[in-house]
Amino acid sequence: EAQVTQNPRYLITVTGKKLTVTCSQNMNHEYMSWYRQDPGLGLRQIYYSMNVEVTDKGDVPEGYKVSRKEKRNFPLILESPSPNQTSLYFCASSLGAPGQGAPAQYFGPGTRLLVL
Amino acid sequence: GIQVEQSPPDLILQEGANSTLRCNFSDSVNNLQWFHQNPWGQLINLFYIPSGTKQNGRLSATTVATERYSLLYISSSQTTDSGVYFCAVETSGTYKYIFGTGTRLKVLA
Repeated sequence: EAQVTQNPRYLITVTGKKLTVTCSQNMNHEYMSWYRQDPGLGLRQIYYSMNVEVTDKGDVPEGYKVSRKEKRNFPLILESPSPNQTSLYFCASSLGAPGQGAPAQYFGPGTRLLVL
Repeated sequence: GIQVEQSPPDLILQEGANSTLRCNFSDSVNNLQWFHQNPWGQLINLFYIPSGTKQNGRLSATTVATERYSLLYISSSQTTDSGVYFCAVETSGTYKYIFGTGTRLKVLA
């Protein structure tokens, strides 16, 4: 089944404790992206990746890191989480980048993060 | 940067009614997509529609790029249409998506 998976689905942590949220897709998609969703603000893009080893900042990259060592995986790293990073996080992928062929995005199920 | 506004913010319908959701954007776009977030939080791509009109069952969408807006039509609404509808745009060459704040739809049985 074609899908985007995220782990964990729920996470409670404390300020400053490094964490990683994994994202994996099995559709051979080139473009991958991370978003955070907060009430009243919609979805905001954190980072995106055009392909392996090619990543760039979205609108709200502060406090986050990403890597794209393999095409299928795009982990989101919070080196020192803070309470303002409490949010619902989504990973997404598409066959091509925006403006290229087949840009329809497929989303993972979301990861709900609480930072105390 | 580009601004994306959606209206109305909230909408309540009786089952069987029709509705129109609007997405306005402040600059020319290379890419526009509509998404539905169901009550369980799952995001589903409905349309990729930078211009023109598309239809998929009871849903259709029209984007008038020169006037900087897109419309999503839902006909004969069902309770399963409830959730939040987002539009997202990308301006040429940025490779970044900007989402609107969404329209929350509730369809009553």
